Amino acid sequence: GQQVMQIPQYQHVQEGEDFTTYCNSSTTLSNIQWYKQRPGGHPVFLIQLVKSGEVKKQKRLTFQFGEAKKNSSLHITATQTTDVGTYFCAGGVNTPLVFGKGTRLSVIA
Amino acid sequence: NAGVTQTPKFRVLKTGQSMTLLCAQDMNHEYMYWYRQDPGMGLRLIHYSVGEGTTAKGEVPDGYNVSRLKKQNFLLGLESAAPSQTSVYFCASSFGHAHDTQYFGPGTRLTVL
Repeated sequence: GQQVMQIPQYQHVQEGEDFTTYCNSSTTLSNIQWYKQRPGGHPVFLIQLVKSGEVKKQKRLTFQFGEAKKNSSLHITATQTTDVGTYFCAGGVNTPLVFGKGTRLSVIA
Repeated sequence: NAGVTQTPKFRVLKTGQSMTLLCAQDMNHEYMYWYRQDPGMGLRLIHYSVGEGTTAKGEVPDGYNVSRLKKQNFLLGLESAAPSQTSVYFCASSFGHAHDTQYFGPGTRLTVL
């Protein structure tokens, strides 16, 4: 079945450093979505990418969708303590979204 | 709008007991989902529904049953709880397509002893 792989599983950074998480699919995706889950909270939608090669920005967050629509990345510039949490990618083709296992980000002040 | 709500928030069961988790949404969404989240395993889809009266199996359906008698409600049942079902359960809903944005409830933390 369709799989969505996400790396790294954990990332510890000093406040102010950059952070990137990568998402790879075994199949071509129709779209990819990114969610953030704060510790003790529930996943919250961040953004959706649909077009091949698409790049979207939200303040310090930059999201990319690969040309082949099989991979994506989330880059955070100059991390802050408010960025702490687990970031999930989710993609789908003909079935409900398949979520990656997430990258847990810790930010050391 | 309350969005997606889940009851209860916490529950402790003994092995073999049964229970039902309730999910309700007030956004008139067609699709609803039940996930379980375990450390290091991400979100795994248990069952989902594409509309009132419909249900379908997800990635990890064994040991669970669901019902969608009303559009706004999606129930998850455990007939005979097992320790392996200790987890955090999230309900989610989306508007009209399996790939639409999903809105999650606050979760239910279930412990099976």
